[in-house]
Amino acid sequence: NAGVTQTPKFRVLKTGQSMTLLCAQDMNHEYMYWYRQDPGMGLRLIHYSVGEGTTAKGEVPDGYNVSRLKKQNFLLGLESAAPSQTSVYFCASSPRVPARTNQEQYFGPGTRLTVT
Amino acid sequence: SQQGEEDPQALSIQEGENATMNCSYKTSINNLQWYRQNSGRGLVHLILIRSNEREKHSGRLRVTLDTSKKSSSLLITASRAADTASYFCATDRVQGAQKLVFGQGTRLTINP
Repeated sequence: NAGVTQTPKFRVLKTGQSMTLLCAQDMNHEYMYWYRQDPGMGLRLIHYSVGEGTTAKGEVPDGYNVSRLKKQNFLLGLESAAPSQTSVYFCASSPRVPARTNQEQYFGPGTRLTVT
Repeated sequence: SQQGEEDPQALSIQEGENATMNCSYKTSINNLQWYRQNSGRGLVHLILIRSNEREKHSGRLRVTLDTSKKSSSLLITASRAADTASYFCATDRVQGAQKLVFGQGTRLTINP
């Protein structure tokens, strides 16, 4: 199993350009997440999905959109990139578990995005 | 805002010594998790401790949880150079569904 994969690994954008980051998981997980990590900080949740066709906002959703058309894929879109979106983006997935419990999240290797 | 706050922000020790990292949080939780991140890589899950547990072990890792103080500690015994990484605590929230909130992390350096 490949686990969680992300494409691309690196990308440089000019301000105002758009792009889509792709996350794929082969573990049949229900939940998927997009985080951003900035220097010296932990991860902040951008958007997440609890199942195919459903998405929800996280802590820092502004400037991003997501789609979960297939269970194994979770796409993160930047419609008009800004320098403030320079960051490392991580995708993660986790299996469905009963309410009020939790499971570990499995992370991809990250996408390093620079917006100039 | 960050739910978890790690302390210290950076820790440098000699190989073979024990490393202790602390995490404090603000709201009630179902469980607390610790993750490791090697430089330039994704996070890897280390251990999960539930709110009704006080201590948990996994190999050279020992995690404690004190819900009355809203704090947790991660102890790595007999450290190795390969333990050099950043360590993050992550908490859920009782009302939250499958969402984790990560602290800022402790950067651990093991000197040979």
